[in-house]
Amino acid sequence: AQSVAQPEDQVNVAEGNPLTVKCTYSVSGNPYLFWYVQYPNRGLQFLLKYITGDNLVKGSYGFEAEFNKSQTSFHLKKPSALVSDSALYFCAVRAPSNTGKLIFGQGTTLQVKP
Amino acid sequence: NAGVMQNPRHLVRRRGQEARLRCSPMKGHSHVYWYRQLPEEGLKFMVYLQKENIIDESGMPKERFSAEFPKEGPSILRIQQVVRGDSAAYFCASSPRQSVRTDPIEQYFGPGTRLTVT
Repeated sequence: AQSVAQPEDQVNVAEGNPLTVKCTYSVSGNPYLFWYVQYPNRGLQFLLKYITGDNLVKGSYGFEAEFNKSQTSFHLKKPSALVSDSALYFCAVRAPSNTGKLIFGQGTTLQVKP
Repeated sequence: NAGVMQNPRHLVRRRGQEARLRCSPMKGHSHVYWYRQLPEEGLKFMVYLQKENIIDESGMPKERFSAEFPKEGPSILRIQQVVRGDSAAYFCASSPRQSVRTDPIEQYFGPGTRLTVT
């Protein structure tokens, strides 16, 4: 069965420092992976996706993610965190059916302190 | 281009009442997904609809829940005889076309409807 795990409930980082939010997945076949961000009382906003090709994917707001097939991971990264990056981050994998439904991890709260 | 619209944003219902949640997809989008977010959990897929068709309802509870996406108007998620366990945030997402294996396009999410059952 397809699944996504985000092993950290919360990540704390100081402003200006690099950040990493971890995600591992389990799928049959080729994985299609997504990162979304949720601000308080808002819907999810798409950040980036991996389909195929280059293992380093660049997305919105300076975020990037590194796909690692051998470790079945898709960690979200940013070289220099901003206080405004504080939010709830979800990793998701597309289910292998043709309907496009997404399977989400449980989310990681990122707290960036000034 | 307006984003995905959901209303109401907050809905309070007593046990046994009906809840109707509405979703208007982005302009030009004809594919709608509904997800439920329980407290302290990630989003769980419920149903996928195209205009006038339910394509995948594998995540829908077997009873009390139904969804539609008529030719005209918003998509509706309907919960009959609500119970406290239905309290959650319900998110709608839309996409312009079907996400097939070779073209896994992203979904665009609305702000959600927070349902509270008292």
